[in-house]
Amino acid sequence: DGGITQSPKYLFRKEGQNVTLSCEQNLNHDAMYWYRQDPGQGLRLIYYSQIVNDFQKGDIAEGYSVSREKKESFPLTVTSAQKNPTAFYLCASSSDGSNSPLHFGNGTRLTVT
Amino acid sequence: ILNVEQSPQSLHVQEGDSTNFTCSFPSSNFYALHWYRWETAKSPEALFVMTLNGDEKKKGRISATLNTKEGYSYLYIKGSQPEDSATYLCAFPPGGSQGNLIFGKGTKLSVKP
Repeated sequence: DGGITQSPKYLFRKEGQNVTLSCEQNLNHDAMYWYRQDPGQGLRLIYYSQIVNDFQKGDIAEGYSVSREKKESFPLTVTSAQKNPTAFYLCASSSDGSNSPLHFGNGTRLTVT
Repeated sequence: ILNVEQSPQSLHVQEGDSTNFTCSFPSSNFYALHWYRWETAKSPEALFVMTLNGDEKKKGRISATLNTKEGYSYLYIKGSQPEDSATYLCAFPPGGSQGNLIFGKGTKLSVKP
């Protein structure tokens, strides 16, 4: 079955450590996205990529980095520069265009202490 | 600042009740309006992508209408069932850019058996 896989489901890190969240899709979608959810807020875009080897910052990119070396993969690194990294992170993909629905992974809950 | 507003924030209904909730978005430069259902412990699932003023879409007991001139969309659920319990999100791509999809905070629906 086609879909998006995020791993791990839960992640715990000490403050000051970088951590990388995995996102893989086998839907042959060109576009991939990373969102963050905090309590009481809507999903907020961190980074997105519309094609391999290209990506753009979203609304809250500071303290995060991404790469898109393969169409199927869009890993997100939460760096020590991110001031409030504890959150729920969702990865999504879509065909190109504003009329294409997003397909989401199950998310990764990151806790930094 | 472009914003997507959803109301109510939460809704509690009895099984069998019909219900509806609202998504408001900027009416200028409209391209599309997305609806998603997000059940607890699952990934958000696309319900509808609406593009035409006056459009009405239906999926089982769930339907949605769109008014692009006044900037709102209604989501209706007929004869609510406990399995309809979820958070319903709408999202709007200002400028038509999928990478800039702005999400509302959602309406959390609870259906009591």
